[in-house]
Amino acid sequence: DTGVSQDPRHKITKRGQNVTFRCDPISEHNRLYWYRQTLGQGPEFLTYFQNEAQLEKSRLLSDRFSAERPKGSFSTLEIQRTEQGDSAMYLCASQRLGTEKLFFGSGTQLSVL
Amino acid sequence: RKEVEQDPGPFNVPEGATVAFNCTYSNSASQSFFWYRQDCRKEPKLLMSVYSSGNEDGRFTAQLNRASQYISLLIRDSKLSDSATYLCVVNLIFGSGTRLLVRP
Repeated sequence: DTGVSQDPRHKITKRGQNVTFRCDPISEHNRLYWYRQTLGQGPEFLTYFQNEAQLEKSRLLSDRFSAERPKGSFSTLEIQRTEQGDSAMYLCASQRLGTEKLFFGSGTQLSVL
Repeated sequence: RKEVEQDPGPFNVPEGATVAFNCTYSNSASQSFFWYRQDCRKEPKLLMSVYSSGNEDGRFTAQLNRASQYISLLIRDSKLSDSATYLCVVNLIFGSGTRLLVRP
């Protein structure tokens, strides 16, 4: 499978715990995006990388959220001290530089109890 | 005002009907426009790009109106399999989606 893959598919955690999600983009894609989606809403932009550089972060993104893409390949999204309001689907998408189409992974569904 | 706005629906139409969705955007300098389709509990998938001159792909037609700052999606001869949520995307910002239900 050469699409975007995300791990884990589901994560249940207790409030206050830290969680980390991984995204493996399509191999030749330079850009990688993180979005968050809650029920009945469209995906909300969180941050994006071009190669290993994080070029933009949503101003709505709490300091508890951090993302990395250390070698310009896979990316991780960490949420520290999770809150119930963090419960959502976290979607990763990749994009080849010079094109507009986003390819999404299946997402990580986070439930904070 | 949200940057990208859509009517949430649902639009409930019979098979064979023609249905149209609009999506308005606030940034007049926007350059990229898309329609994505999202099935329940699945990731969004690109349906079609939206070009200034309008474009068609089979039963689907997308149009851009820069003066009024909206894009539209027209679906002709609706199929049951068209039931999904349709998301407009402007400069990588998603609308909240319009839900379409096509009934037999």
